[in-house]
Amino acid sequence: DARVTQTPRHKVTEMGQEVTMRCQPILGHNTVFWYRQTMMQGLELLAYFRNRAPLDDSGMPKDRFSAEMPDATLATLKIQPSEPRDSAVYFCASGSGTGSLRDTEAFFGQGTRLTVV
Amino acid sequence: AQSVTQPDIHITVSEGASLELRCNYSYGATPYLFWYVQSPGQGLQLLLKYFSGDTLVQGIKGFEAEFKRSQSSFNLRKPSVHWSDAAEYFCAVGAGGNKLTFGGGTRVLVKP
Repeated sequence: DARVTQTPRHKVTEMGQEVTMRCQPILGHNTVFWYRQTMMQGLELLAYFRNRAPLDDSGMPKDRFSAEMPDATLATLKIQPSEPRDSAVYFCASGSGTGSLRDTEAFFGQGTRLTVV
Repeated sequence: AQSVTQPDIHITVSEGASLELRCNYSYGATPYLFWYVQSPGQGLQLLLKYFSGDTLVQGIKGFEAEFKRSQSSFNLRKPSVHWSDAAEYFCAVGAGGNKLTFGGGTRVLVKP
């Protein structure tokens, strides 16, 4: 059963610490997304990659957030230094985007619930 | 830029009753529309999607949605809800290359 895997599922950290969240996309998918979900803002797109190259990270605070794909099976989202306002659920999603408008289905992981105290 | 509005933040429905969730979108081209469901503590699961053709789309778990271009709407329906349908539902519009813009979500509570 192919699925997107995110680790850790839960993370509690102190303000100022570095946080790294990991995502394993579905094998063969070439598009990876990072979303953030909060009560106030709902689901926000932070960044997305195709074929490991960043296509859009305009939703991501550049001063503290960074997203990378070291290889096709791993995407990371890093926050350094973390702040209480970063507390949220972070979702990774993957898709088999070919650039066609029809390839718009994204498969979501279960998320990482981050709490910064 | 595309946008999605889900006017109802919360809906309470009795088990066995019908359910309709509203979704309005704004998109400059032909929209690609989706409904996702999120159960507590879980990720998002695709219920159904619309690309073209028949404007009434059938999905999983007994859900259907109807695309109405004249009203810029893509409302989700289920004739008879089950307690397991209690969840949050998100409407989304797809831009090119898998990029989705989500509405704010509608939380559904099912009464026994």
